[in-house]
Amino acid sequence: DIQMTQSPSSLSASVGDRVTITCRASQGISNSLAWYQQTPGKAPKLLLYAASRLESGVPSRFSGSGSGTDYTLTISSLQPEDFATYYCQQYYRTSWTFGQGTKVEIK
Amino acid sequence: EMQLVESGGGLIQPGGSLRLSCAASGLTVSTNYMSWVRQAPGKGLEWVSVIYTGGDTYYADSVKGRFTISRDNSKNTLYLEMNSLRAEDTAVYYCARNLALDCWGQGTLVTVSS
Repeated sequence: DIQMTQSPSSLSASVGDRVTITCRASQGISNSLAWYQQTPGKAPKLLLYAASRLESGVPSRFSGSGSGTDYTLTISSLQPEDFATYYCQQYYRTSWTFGQGTKVEIK
Repeated sequence: EMQLVESGGGLIQPGGSLRLSCAASGLTVSTNYMSWVRQAPGKGLEWVSVIYTGGDTYYADSVKGRFTISRDNSKNTLYLEMNSLRAEDTAVYYCARNLALDCWGQGTLVTVSS
């Protein structure tokens, strides 16, 4: 199985900060990567797919980049509603796998 | 509007069986890749199983041989048959659509405990 290593596991940030979360795959995944946001008690929400394509309705402050094994989620200016847990997921090869998650907390 | 609604969760003893359902509206289960993803209490997301449009099925190693994914096209419903349940199967189970999971249900809680 392809392992997804996400970092950091948590971070504290302020409204307006630029936030970056990284995800590393144990082998190349050809941009077959999605990012999700989850708030407590809710189902995850798709933010980006194919590493950098923004899902419809998702604010443009979210962006994704990367290639090969290394990928990044960036929130350009953190908003109050962005405090949540973020997950990456590879869908290059079944079994699909998720990163461990990054909890973004208020500083 | 696309909607997925899971049901069938509950409290079950170790070694028991349970069948989860995921009723779809606004999308056709048979023409989409449909998955089950679970989340143990306070933990991260774990992909469980997928059924492709052609009927091929795949499972996480942790559930292989114990869980079976299926669909009923006439009812537009996805299922997860879970046998030989263990305490570590305790989780909220979500159904979701596509490779990048763009539509999720609200989840159903399965608790395996004596």
